[in-house]
Amino acid sequence: DVKVTQSSRYLVKRTGEKVFLECVQDMDHENMFWYRQDPGLGLRLIYFSYDVKMKEKGDIPEGYSVSREKKERFSLILESASTNQTSMYLCASKSRGRPEAFFGQGTRLTVV
Amino acid sequence: QKEVEQDPGPLSVPEGAIVSLNCTYSNSAFQYFMWYRQYSRKGPELLMYTYSSGNKEDGRFTAQVDKSSKYISLFIRDSQPSDSATYLCAMLLQGGSEKLVFGKGTKLTVNP
Repeated sequence: DVKVTQSSRYLVKRTGEKVFLECVQDMDHENMFWYRQDPGLGLRLIYFSYDVKMKEKGDIPEGYSVSREKKERFSLILESASTNQTSMYLCASKSRGRPEAFFGQGTRLTVV
Repeated sequence: QKEVEQDPGPLSVPEGAIVSLNCTYSNSAFQYFMWYRQYSRKGPELLMYTYSSGNKEDGRFTAQVDKSSKYISLFIRDSQPSDSATYLCAMLLQGGSEKLVFGKGTKLTVNP
């Protein structure tokens, strides 16, 4: 079974802190994604990586950056956390050319 | 016009009912059509996908694609309380972008 593991289920951070969300997949997928999910807004793509060290902005990249130094790991960085970044964050991975994307269990981040 | 439209519900049905969940889309180039199920506070999990037009059945679940109408459906027969979840449709181009386009999800409750 494909496994996508996010480092934390729940996080509480203070405004202005630098926050790291980690995601690891074990299926050698080329593509990895970070989404945030908010009530009424659905899944919104923050960043996408199609290969090691390669990244592409999604629909809402402002306030976020990403890092992909190894194929299996994709990190989302909140440079200076703000209360409007309180959300559910979901990581996904997908093999190139295949339609199925596999999601992690999500990280519920609260910024206070 | 959004690329993918999905009625957010909520939808509430009695146990044993047939449930119909639907999405419409605007991009006629979509070739892969997916349905994800997301339980509360968990990541989405892939239920099934179809390629191009036609039907696909998996147990109590049937996915239908009508490309002429740009309309996809997921039917759940003999619905169970364990089917209570949010259902998201997603679509993908073939040979194009690796990014899935998601509907906002429909929240379903099956009452015992």
